[in-house]
Amino acid sequence: SQQGEEDPQALSIQEGENATMNCSYKTSINNLQWYRQNSGRGLVHLILIRSNEREKHSGRLRVTLDTSKKSSSLLITASRAADTASYFCATDANSGNTPLVFGKGTRLSVIA
Amino acid sequence: DAGITQSPRHKVTETGTPVTLRCHQTENHRYMYWYRQDPGHGLRLIHYSYGVKDTDKGEVSDGYSVSRSKTEDFLLTLESATSSQTSVYFCAIKQGTDNSPLHFGNGTRLTVT
Repeated sequence: SQQGEEDPQALSIQEGENATMNCSYKTSINNLQWYRQNSGRGLVHLILIRSNEREKHSGRLRVTLDTSKKSSSLLITASRAADTASYFCATDANSGNTPLVFGKGTRLSVIA
Repeated sequence: DAGITQSPRHKVTETGTPVTLRCHQTENHRYMYWYRQDPGHGLRLIHYSYGVKDTDKGEVSDGYSVSRSKTEDFLLTLESATSSQTSVYFCAIKQGTDNSPLHFGNGTRLTVT
Protein backbone atom coordinates (compact mmCIF):
# COMPACT_ATOMS: atom_id res chain seq x y z
CA SER A 1 0.00 0.00 0.00
CA GLN A 2 1.13 3.55 -0.61
CA GLN A 3 2.89 5.11 2.34
CA GLY A 4 2.95 8.66 1.00
CA GLU A 5 0.07 10.47 -0.60
CA GLU A 6 0.71 13.68 -2.51
CA ASP A 7 -1.72 16.52 -2.74
CA PRO A 8 -2.85 17.91 -5.11
CA GLN A 9 -2.77 15.27 -7.84
CA ALA A 10 -2.27 17.99 -10.43
CA LEU A 11 -1.26 21.63 -10.24
CA SER A 12 -1.10 24.25 -12.97
CA ILE A 13 0.57 27.63 -12.38
CA GLN A 14 2.06 30.52 -14.30
CA GLU A 15 5.78 30.92 -14.70
CA GLY A 16 7.23 32.93 -11.82
CA GLU A 17 4.64 31.76 -9.29
CA ASN A 18 5.43 29.46 -6.40
CA ALA A 19 4.30 25.83 -6.40
CA THR A 20 3.50 23.95 -3.22
CA MET A 21 2.98 20.21 -3.06
CA ASN A 22 2.09 18.26 0.04
CA CYS A 23 2.77 14.72 1.14
CA SER A 24 1.16 12.78 3.95
CA TYR A 25 2.37 9.45 5.23
CA LYS A 26 1.15 6.84 7.66
CA THR A 27 3.93 5.36 9.78
CA SER A 28 7.11 6.49 11.50
CA ILE A 29 9.90 7.29 9.10
CA ASN A 30 13.67 7.49 9.02
CA ASN A 31 13.70 10.12 6.31
CA LEU A 32 11.51 11.56 3.59
CA GLN A 33 12.71 12.24 0.07
CA TRP A 34 11.34 14.14 -2.89
CA TYR A 35 11.89 13.05 -6.48
CA ARG A 36 11.09 14.58 -9.84
CA GLN A 37 10.14 12.75 -13.02
CA ASN A 38 10.15 14.27 -16.47
CA SER A 39 7.94 12.63 -19.05
CA GLY A 40 9.42 9.36 -20.32
CA ARG A 41 12.34 9.41 -17.92
CA GLY A 42 13.32 7.88 -14.61
CA LEU A 43 12.94 9.64 -11.29
CA VAL A 44 15.62 12.04 -10.15
CA HIS A 45 16.37 12.70 -6.49
CA LEU A 46 15.78 16.28 -5.39
CA ILE A 47 16.16 16.51 -1.65
CA LEU A 48 16.17 14.41 1.52
CA ILE A 49 15.00 15.51 4.93
CA ARG A 50 15.71 13.47 8.02
CA SER A 51 13.07 12.78 10.63
CA ASN A 52 14.84 15.06 13.14
CA GLU A 53 14.88 18.01 10.70
CA ARG A 54 12.04 20.47 10.21
CA GLU A 55 13.11 22.40 7.15
CA LYS A 56 15.65 22.11 4.39
CA HIS A 57 16.58 24.26 1.41
CA SER A 58 18.25 23.50 -1.89
CA GLY A 59 18.33 26.29 -4.46
CA ARG A 60 14.70 27.16 -5.27
CA LEU A 61 13.42 24.17 -3.31
CA ARG A 62 12.21 24.32 0.26
CA VAL A 63 11.06 21.21 2.08
CA THR A 64 9.35 21.09 5.46
CA LEU A 65 8.61 18.09 7.61
CA ASP A 66 6.11 17.83 10.45
CA THR A 67 6.44 14.42 12.04
CA SER A 68 3.62 15.09 14.49
CA LYS A 69 1.24 15.50 11.55
CA LYS A 70 3.07 12.95 9.38
CA SER A 71 3.27 15.43 6.55
CA SER A 72 5.78 17.20 4.35
CA SER A 73 5.61 19.98 1.81
CA LEU A 74 7.74 20.84 -1.19
CA LEU A 75 7.84 24.47 -2.26
CA ILE A 76 9.33 25.47 -5.60
CA THR A 77 9.84 29.22 -5.75
CA ALA A 78 9.84 31.35 -8.88
CA SER A 79 8.80 28.43 -11.04
CA ARG A 80 9.97 27.99 -14.62
CA ALA A 81 8.50 26.13 -17.56
CA ALA A 82 11.34 23.62 -17.13
CA ASP A 83 9.94 22.70 -13.70
CA THR A 84 7.02 21.00 -15.46
CA ALA A 85 7.21 17.40 -14.24
CA SER A 86 5.72 14.96 -11.77
CA TYR A 87 6.91 15.15 -8.18
CA PHE A 88 6.92 12.24 -5.79
CA CYS A 89 7.54 11.92 -2.10
CA ALA A 90 9.08 8.73 -0.76
CA THR A 91 9.57 7.42 2.72
CA ASP A 92 11.41 4.62 4.37
CA ALA A 93 10.35 2.91 7.54
CA ASN A 94 12.06 3.81 10.74
CA SER A 95 14.60 0.97 10.53
CA GLY A 96 17.75 0.59 8.50
CA ASN A 97 17.82 0.18 4.75
CA THR A 98 14.19 -0.64 4.13
CA PRO A 99 13.04 0.10 0.58
CA LEU A 100 11.50 3.45 -0.22
CA VAL A 101 7.75 3.59 -0.64
CA PHE A 102 6.53 6.19 -3.11
CA GLY A 103 3.35 8.20 -3.29
CA LYS A 104 1.29 8.61 -6.45
CA GLY A 105 2.80 11.96 -7.31
CA THR A 106 1.74 15.49 -8.15
CA ARG A 107 1.79 16.55 -11.78
CA LEU A 108 3.00 20.13 -12.03
CA SER A 109 2.47 22.19 -15.16
CA VAL A 110 4.20 25.56 -15.35
CA ILE A 111 2.79 27.72 -18.11
CA ALA A 112 5.08 30.22 -19.76
CA ASP B 1 22.17 8.76 -15.37
CA ALA B 2 24.38 7.43 -12.56
CA GLY B 3 25.66 4.46 -14.60
CA ILE B 4 22.45 2.51 -14.73
CA THR B 5 21.09 0.97 -17.92
CA GLN B 6 17.85 -0.85 -18.51
CA SER B 7 17.24 -3.13 -21.47
CA PRO B 8 15.24 -3.36 -23.53
CA ARG B 9 13.69 0.12 -23.46
CA HIS B 10 10.52 -1.08 -25.13
CA LYS B 11 9.03 -4.53 -25.55
CA VAL B 12 5.79 -5.94 -26.86
CA THR B 13 5.04 -9.53 -26.02
CA GLU B 14 2.11 -11.92 -26.05
CA THR B 15 0.22 -13.25 -23.07
CA GLY B 16 1.80 -16.41 -21.70
CA THR B 17 5.32 -15.80 -22.96
CA PRO B 18 8.30 -15.41 -20.62
CA VAL B 19 9.99 -12.03 -20.48
CA THR B 20 13.25 -10.94 -18.85
CA LEU B 21 14.18 -7.34 -18.19
CA ARG B 22 17.74 -6.43 -17.39
CA CYS B 23 19.18 -3.74 -15.16
CA HIS B 24 22.90 -3.10 -15.36
CA GLN B 25 24.89 -0.73 -13.14
CA THR B 26 28.48 0.42 -13.23
CA GLU B 27 28.44 2.04 -9.77
CA ASN B 28 29.10 -1.07 -7.66
CA HIS B 29 26.13 -0.14 -5.48
CA ARG B 30 24.91 -2.75 -3.05
CA TYR B 31 21.15 -2.24 -3.37
CA MET B 32 19.07 -2.70 -6.51
CA TYR B 33 15.31 -2.39 -6.92
CA TRP B 34 12.59 -3.10 -9.44
CA TYR B 35 9.51 -0.85 -9.42
CA ARG B 36 6.55 -0.71 -11.74
CA GLN B 37 4.72 2.51 -12.55
CA ASP B 38 1.07 2.57 -13.50
CA PRO B 39 -1.40 5.44 -13.85
CA GLY B 40 -3.21 6.02 -10.58
CA HIS B 41 -0.79 3.85 -8.62
CA GLY B 42 2.50 5.68 -8.72
CA LEU B 43 5.56 3.49 -8.21
CA ARG B 44 5.20 0.14 -6.52
CA LEU B 45 8.05 -2.09 -5.42
CA ILE B 46 8.25 -5.53 -7.05
CA HIS B 47 11.49 -7.02 -5.71
CA TYR B 48 14.78 -5.74 -4.40
CA SER B 49 18.27 -7.00 -3.76
CA TYR B 50 20.65 -6.18 -0.93
CA GLY B 51 23.59 -8.11 -2.31
CA VAL B 52 24.61 -10.87 -4.71
CA LYS B 53 22.09 -13.70 -4.42
CA ASP B 54 20.23 -11.77 -1.69
CA THR B 55 16.75 -10.70 -2.76
CA ASP B 56 13.41 -9.99 -1.15
CA LYS B 57 9.84 -9.41 -2.22
CA GLY B 58 8.12 -6.10 -2.47
CA GLU B 59 4.50 -5.03 -2.46
CA VAL B 60 3.55 -6.48 -5.87
CA SER B 61 5.83 -9.50 -6.33
CA ASP B 62 3.26 -12.05 -7.54
CA GLY B 63 4.04 -13.22 -11.08
CA TYR B 64 7.61 -11.92 -10.95
CA SER B 65 10.96 -13.43 -10.06
CA VAL B 66 14.41 -11.87 -9.85
CA SER B 67 18.01 -12.94 -9.89
CA ARG B 68 21.27 -11.25 -8.99
CA SER B 69 24.26 -13.44 -9.76
CA LYS B 70 26.71 -10.53 -9.83
CA THR B 71 26.78 -7.06 -8.36
CA GLU B 72 26.18 -5.20 -11.60
CA ASP B 73 23.15 -7.07 -12.93
CA PHE B 74 19.63 -7.46 -11.58
CA LEU B 75 17.20 -9.40 -13.75
CA LEU B 76 13.43 -9.28 -13.53
CA THR B 77 11.55 -12.21 -15.06
CA LEU B 78 7.89 -12.55 -15.87
CA GLU B 79 7.52 -16.31 -16.15
CA SER B 80 4.24 -16.10 -18.06
CA ALA B 81 3.30 -12.55 -18.96
CA THR B 82 -0.26 -11.34 -18.41
CA SER B 83 -2.01 -8.20 -19.63
CA SER B 84 -2.03 -6.86 -16.06
CA GLN B 85 1.76 -6.73 -16.25
CA THR B 86 1.64 -4.12 -18.98
CA SER B 87 3.49 -1.29 -17.31
CA VAL B 88 6.61 0.80 -17.20
CA TYR B 89 9.32 -0.90 -15.18
CA PHE B 90 12.03 1.06 -13.42
CA CYS B 91 15.23 -0.19 -11.94
CA ALA B 92 16.92 1.81 -9.19
CA ILE B 93 20.20 1.50 -7.32
CA LYS B 94 21.45 2.74 -3.99
CA GLN B 95 24.65 2.75 -2.05
CA GLY B 96 24.67 0.93 1.25
CA THR B 97 24.50 4.02 3.43
CA ASP B 98 21.24 4.62 5.25
CA ASN B 99 20.29 8.03 3.84
CA SER B 100 21.65 7.71 0.34
CA PRO B 101 19.13 8.42 -2.45
CA LEU B 102 17.95 6.13 -5.22
CA HIS B 103 19.25 6.52 -8.76
CA PHE B 104 16.83 5.40 -11.43
CA GLY B 105 17.20 4.03 -14.90
CA ASN B 106 15.04 5.39 -17.71
CA GLY B 107 12.60 2.54 -17.62
CA THR B 108 11.35 -0.29 -19.80
CA ARG B 109 7.91 0.07 -21.34
CA LEU B 110 6.39 -3.40 -21.53
CA THR B 111 3.16 -4.14 -23.39
CA VAL B 112 1.55 -7.54 -23.05
CA THR B 113 -1.03 -8.20 -25.77
